[in-house]
Amino acid sequence: GNSVTQMEGPVTLSEEAFLTINCTYTATGYPSLFWYVQYPGEGLQLLLKATKADDKGSNKGFEATYRKETTSFHLEKGSVQVSDSAVYFCALSVGAGGTSYGKLTFGQGTILTVHP
Amino acid sequence: DAGVIQSPRHEVTEMGQEVTLRCKPISGHNSLFWYRQTMMRGLELLIYFNNNVPIDDSGMPEDRFSAKMPNASFSTLKIQPSEPRDSAVYFCASRMRQGGRGRRDTEAFFGQGTRLTVV
Repeated sequence: GNSVTQMEGPVTLSEEAFLTINCTYTATGYPSLFWYVQYPGEGLQLLLKATKADDKGSNKGFEATYRKETTSFHLEKGSVQVSDSAVYFCALSVGAGGTSYGKLTFGQGTILTVHP
Repeated sequence: DAGVIQSPRHEVTEMGQEVTLRCKPISGHNSLFWYRQTMMRGLELLIYFNNNVPIDDSGMPEDRFSAKMPNASFSTLKIQPSEPRDSAVYFCASRMRQGGRGRRDTEAFFGQGTRLTVV
């Protein structure tokens, strides 16, 4: 079946530090990959996405590149801010075909705390 | 568009009572998901629908849980009878599935969630 594995947290950084949150996946078929962010007391919202190999998704200074050869989609940001403190989820979705088509599968989430 | 709308936002109920959570997906979306989030188990997919039809309900914990989608604009998740271990935040999400080979699904949009406490 499909699965997503994220680096375990929590991750604690100082403001302006470099961020990497690792994400690897296994999937039958050719998945689309997503990063979602959840701020305290809110639902998940899309941060960025990539739909084919070597695509780079980017938003709000965050980036992730779809690496088919390593089945990875690591999230990076060059300089984090206190306002980036949240829970980050990596996710995948496989399109047509297979018994799990359309299923949106999430990793376990990584808590990020950024200190001033 | 107002986004995915869930109700109620908070629900406190006694063990053994029936609980019904409601979701209104974004207009035009044809896939709907119900997730449960707890500190211990993280984000779990309970069930998802495509075109109002349940596709995969393998995540539904047990027979006490049931979900329906009578039309494209409404879904319910019912727990009967409720138990303290059902306490969690329940999220509904919707998206547009494009289907067909080579087509990519759009991202899912989440509601604000329903925080359920069973005492």
